[in-house]
Amino acid sequence: DQQVKQNSPSLSVQEGRISILNCDYTNSMFDYFLWYKKYPAEGPTFLISISSIKDKNEDGRFTVFLNKSAKHLSLHIVPSQPGDSAVYFCAARPNTGNQFYFGTGTSLTVIP
Amino acid sequence: DAGVIQSPRHEVTEMGQEVTLRCKPISGHNSLFWYRQTMMRGLELLIYFNNNVPIDDSGMPEDRFSAKMPNASFSTLKIQPSEPRDSAVYFCASTLSGVNTGELFFGEGSRLTVL
Repeated sequence: DQQVKQNSPSLSVQEGRISILNCDYTNSMFDYFLWYKKYPAEGPTFLISISSIKDKNEDGRFTVFLNKSAKHLSLHIVPSQPGDSAVYFCAARPNTGNQFYFGTGTSLTVIP
Repeated sequence: DAGVIQSPRHEVTEMGQEVTLRCKPISGHNSLFWYRQTMMRGLELLIYFNNNVPIDDSGMPEDRFSAKMPNASFSTLKIQPSEPRDSAVYFCASTLSGVNTGELFFGEGSRLTVL
């Protein structure tokens, strides 16, 4: 039973435009959300996070938005660069434990 | 500054053989996680340890899978006997639990192919 869902397996965006990656979750006990980036043959690396007490967190070109009522979060990348081409995983952690639950990933391709 | 270290990076074996994957977490981290990456399920949590004690192994697929953490600097994931459907990339990750950021640090993964 997938508690964290990324319904778009892939996304293509022109360089310089905005990339929007979406994530939905089902567990209302999740209180901390993260995005990870993964290049081929490497482990995932942390990108940005957001606590459930916030609705937005920004770090340079990356912004994560959280809509708790809809159980939805999104990652915005502006402007997109070819080096951003990777698989992006959404993850969530419940307030009752230390487990991190991941989605299936979205493969982003930024076209030069 | 060493990150999470996994071995082997690649393993090709035949069905029925025993497979052991190894992980050395980041020094000072007290939580360790084993994940499996597949196309269908993404990054699937198999088991996690806190202070060397298994806390949640509900993600372990079946009795063929077992994991141990004999000390704070070493963990193993064993599959016996292995089957072709076990073919995947297995990731180990560690973190310092109790810290508000809770960021997971991943190793580079062990790609397992069972023929």
